[in-house]
Amino acid sequence: EPEVTQTPSHQVTQMGQEVILRCVPISNHLYFYWYRQILGQKVEFLVSFYNNEISEKSEIFDDQFSVERPDGSNFTLKIRSTKLEDSAMYFCASLRERNTGELFFGEGSRLTVL
Amino acid sequence: AQTVTQSQPEMSVQEAETVTLSCTYDTSESDYYLFWYKQPPSRQMILVIRQEAYKQQNATENRFSVNFQKAAKSFSLKISDSQLGDAAMYFCAYRALVNQGGKLIFGQGTELSVKP
Repeated sequence: EPEVTQTPSHQVTQMGQEVILRCVPISNHLYFYWYRQILGQKVEFLVSFYNNEISEKSEIFDDQFSVERPDGSNFTLKIRSTKLEDSAMYFCASLRERNTGELFFGEGSRLTVL
Repeated sequence: AQTVTQSQPEMSVQEAETVTLSCTYDTSESDYYLFWYKQPPSRQMILVIRQEAYKQQNATENRFSVNFQKAAKSFSLKISDSQLGDAAMYFCAYRALVNQGGKLIFGQGTELSVKP
C-alpha cells in the first residue's frame, strides 16, 4: 500500500541552526501539507502546497519556514534558524484530489532544538 | 473560521465495554468531511473513520461508529467492545471541500485509556 515517508525520524539540532525535513508523498497525490505537534498539544496546520506553490499557510509559518518540491517527488520543510520552541513532531501529509477524503500522514519527524 | 472542539481531555473505559468520545465543530460551509484519527504512543496518525457531510447515514468501521448530527454540528465516536490496543490519543478533525488548500483542522484530542 502506498505511503507517505518522512526523514529523518528524529533530528537533534542546536538553536540557530538550519533544519530540513524531507517527505516523499504518495506518487499520484496533488496536495501536500506540513503539520506540527508540540508534545502534549494538538496537531497544528503549518502550510499547504499545490501546483508548485503555497496555497495556504498559518500564522505559525513565518519567514523562518519555507517549503519546496524540488524534484517532483520530495517535499521539504526548511526552518532557517531554529528556536527552542520549534521542538515538535512534524508531520507531512498528502491528498490525492481536493474532493477525495482523507489526508495520508507520514510517521512524523521529531525535531529537538537544544 | 472553522473550529473543532473536544471537551474531554481524558476518558477511561473498561476492556470490552463501550465508550463515546465527543466532538463539536463550527463552520459555515455545507460540504465537508469529518474524521477521527488515532495517535498511539508512536505518534503516528492513523485514520479511524470518516464521514461525508452530505451523507445522512452514520459511518461505521467494525467496532467504531459515529453519531453525526449535522444541525447540531456534533460528531461523536463510539468504540464498542474496547480493546487494550484502543488506548491512544484520539483527534477529531474537519476538512472543508470548498477552499483549494483542503487543510485538516484538528481538535485538542482526547486521551483514551483502557483498563483490563
